Amino acid sequence: QQQVKQSPQSLIVQKGGISIINCAYENTAFDYFPWYQQFPGKGPALLIAIRPDVSEKKEGRFTISFNKSAKQFSLHIMDSQPGDSATYFCAARGDSSYKLIFGSGTRLLVRP
Amino acid sequence: DVKVTQSSRYLVKRTGEKVFLECVQDMDHENMFWYRQDPGLGLRLIYFSYDVKMKEKGDIPEGYSVSREKKERFSLILESASTNQTSMYLCASSFPRVGGYTFGSGTRLTVV
Repeated sequence: QQQVKQSPQSLIVQKGGISIINCAYENTAFDYFPWYQQFPGKGPALLIAIRPDVSEKKEGRFTISFNKSAKQFSLHIMDSQPGDSATYFCAARGDSSYKLIFGSGTRLLVRP
Repeated sequence: DVKVTQSSRYLVKRTGEKVFLECVQDMDHENMFWYRQDPGLGLRLIYFSYDVKMKEKGDIPEGYSVSREKKERFSLILESASTNQTSMYLCASSFPRVGGYTFGSGTRLTVV
């Protein structure tokens, strides 16, 4: 019940395309869902986050879509750029927990 | 700019050595975490601390210990380094149950 399952493991997208990364969870007590972006040689950095009282959150070219009934959430990167090439992690946390539960990561490559 | 600083970017140690990885944060965060990151395995929690001198085991604590004598500093200790502890080690900090983590840039440890 504590897992967060992330797919795909890797993704190749052409410049200007849409990148979509999906995550699914089991624990209905989760109430905070962040996405992290990690460039090679760097630590992960918070990209965007959502709470389950909204179905979508947009920040620039990055959008989280949240489906509470299906217990799924996804990251959409519009107009993908080579500079978006990185590893992306989804995560989830319950309101009584200190800890984030991370997905296994998706390595995104955006071709020029 | 808020920061989590890890003392070393790269370390090479010999099997059997005692290894100290240091992490300092300047955000007055109560929570601090140590993760290791390995290809295909994502981020795995080793230990975390929710207050000075308080610690809890994460998912893979074997072979590790931690120390938190001051709020801003969280140390990871490899009691007797082994080659299977070669990995990227990431420190993170956060406020309790609020927002996401701030990660350091990581320490790439090689045990030979």
